[in-house]
Amino acid sequence: KQEVTQIPAALSVPEGENLVLNCSFTDSAIYNLQWFRQDPGKGLTSLLLIQSSQREQTSGRLNASLDKSSGRSTLYIAASQPGDSATYLCAVMNSGGYQKVTFGIGTKLQVIP
Amino acid sequence: NAGVMQNPRHLVRRRGQEARLRCSPMKGHSHVYWYRQLPEEGLKFMVYLQKENIIDESGMPKERFSAEFPKEGPSILRIQQVVRGDSAAYFCASSLVAGPVDGYTFGSGTRLTVV
Repeated sequence: KQEVTQIPAALSVPEGENLVLNCSFTDSAIYNLQWFRQDPGKGLTSLLLIQSSQREQTSGRLNASLDKSSGRSTLYIAASQPGDSATYLCAVMNSGGYQKVTFGIGTKLQVIP
Repeated sequence: NAGVMQNPRHLVRRRGQEARLRCSPMKGHSHVYWYRQLPEEGLKFMVYLQKENIIDESGMPKERFSAEFPKEGPSILRIQQVVRGDSAAYFCASSLVAGPVDGYTFGSGTRLTVV
């Protein structure tokens, strides 16, 4: 059974800092991994999708990496802004045909002006 | 393209009433997934549907919960005789391809409060 862990659970940083959010998973036979952002009381916004054959994906100030063999992914946020404050969720889809996706509980990020 | 549309955004029901949550997938998407998010917990899979078929309902409680995705119209998640423990945010996602191998697109969710 796939288990997804996100560390830290919460993070508070001053504006302008670069930061790294971590996601680990127990079953390395994954198909893809997706990072989401969730604002309080809102839905999930997809940030980056990494296929199992890829090592990283970039979008603007965001960079996500994937190391399947060690069961880890990191989301790097450069030059953080107060608008980045949200909960960041990692979701893993297993390979081997249809599989439902397993979510981590998330990292709650606060960027202080 | 309006994206995944869920309604209502907020729903209040008294214990014992029925709750109906609706989800219209993105245009062209025929795969719909329902997830539940309890306070301070991660999203938990409930059910995966294609048009007129339930593919996987292993995450859905066997009693009081049902889901459908008819040939025409939105997908419906129905909760009968709601209890306080059903209070949660219910999210719907859709995908173009089964899996979803191309990633999920989520709706804004329905927040159910049972009083």
